[in-house]
Amino acid sequence: DGGITQSPKYLFRKEGQNVTLSCEQNLNHDAMYWYRQDPGQGLRLIYYSQIVNDFQKGDIAEGYSVSREKKESFPLTVTSAQKNPTAFYLCASSILRQGTDTQYFGPGTRLTVL
Amino acid sequence: EDKVVQSPLSLVVHEGDTVTLNCSYEVTNFRSLLWYKQEKKAPTFLFMLTSSGIEKKSGRLSSILDKKELSSILNITATQTGDSAIYLCAVAFNTNAGKSTFGDGTTLTVKP
Repeated sequence: DGGITQSPKYLFRKEGQNVTLSCEQNLNHDAMYWYRQDPGQGLRLIYYSQIVNDFQKGDIAEGYSVSREKKESFPLTVTSAQKNPTAFYLCASSILRQGTDTQYFGPGTRLTVL
Repeated sequence: EDKVVQSPLSLVVHEGDTVTLNCSYEVTNFRSLLWYKQEKKAPTFLFMLTSSGIEKKSGRLSSILDKKELSSILNITATQTGDSAIYLCAVAFNTNAGKSTFGDGTTLTVKP
């Protein structure tokens, strides 16, 4: 089955800790994205990557870091510099081709800071 | 600054009602407008609109884009409890291939 997987589903972090959220896709998509969703709000873009070994900051990149060493994988690290990290994190991917802008989403990771 | 605004933010209706959700945008380099449905976790794709005035339809759901008014509507007829979800509108850009900006969503609750 093709799709996007995220792990873990739930993550608890103590203040001052860095944590890494996993995102893997087997859709052979070029681009991958990380979003943050807070209650009552839409999706805000953290980072995105169009190609291996390259990524760009989104609208709320401060306190986050990413890597794209493989086409299939785009892990997100939430660092201790992120002051309010409790949120729902969604990873998505898309094929970069004229005529389609659809993004396909993983099931998400809910991060709670204790 | 690129902006996507959805209204209403929340809506409660009864089964069988028809609803209209709105999305307006102020962006540079518009390429397409997309609608997604988010029931519990992962948003799923509903429609992608690029041309003004052409309705896209899927069952009881339909959507249309008005490029002159910089807006789109999503209609759901004969609503069912399974339509309860957050409906997200997003705009994709000609530059920054693949990047989209999302609105805050409309939370629809359909009561039996």
